[in-house]
Amino acid sequence: GENVEQHPSTLSVQEGDSAVIKCTYSDSASNYFPWYKQELGKGPQLIIDIRSNVGEKKDQRIAVTLNKTAKHFSLHITETQPEDSAVYFCAASKAGRRALTFGSGTRLQVQP
Amino acid sequence: DVKVTQSSRYLVKRTGEKVFLECVQDMDHENMFWYRQDPGLGLRLIYFSYDVKMKEKGDIPEGYSVSREKKERFSLILESASTNQTSMYLCASPDKGQMNTEAFFGQGTRLTVV
Repeated sequence: GENVEQHPSTLSVQEGDSAVIKCTYSDSASNYFPWYKQELGKGPQLIIDIRSNVGEKKDQRIAVTLNKTAKHFSLHITETQPEDSAVYFCAASKAGRRALTFGSGTRLQVQP
Repeated sequence: DVKVTQSSRYLVKRTGEKVFLECVQDMDHENMFWYRQDPGLGLRLIYFSYDVKMKEKGDIPEGYSVSREKKERFSLILESASTNQTSMYLCASPDKGQMNTEAFFGQGTRLTVV
């Protein structure tokens, strides 16, 4: 089955700096790659996603890049703010399997 | 907005008890999932259901079962709770449609087995 690896497990940045979280996946049939943000005491919420027919997607300060050949994708957060502090999860899935396979998570701390 | 509601935020149960975790979604979605979340392991799929009375094992089904008698409700059952089932349990339901898309999560149930 699919295996998703996520790095780093913790990341501390200064407010205003950029943060990058990286994931690799094993199943070349995977075609959907979402990123979720989980704040303390809440369930994960989708922040951005990308499909395999696209190499990059951006939404304000958040962007995701996908390299299908290398089977890795990354989350980029620019101009970080304290409210970006949370746990971030990458995930992957493929057609015919609606269930997501998640990475192990990255705890991002933005220092004011 | 889609809402996925889990019946309990916190539960404390004794070893050997039968435990029911309930999840309800209000958007007529076919698919519903149960994950458990543990530090350093991310979210791991326990069971999922793609229709009423239909269920499939996920990656870690041992020690669990599920029930889906109505479309909006998906229950996770711990037949005989053990301490290694102490965890955060998350229910999720993806949007409708043929393509994989956003999954909506409940707020989670933190289960402690003593």
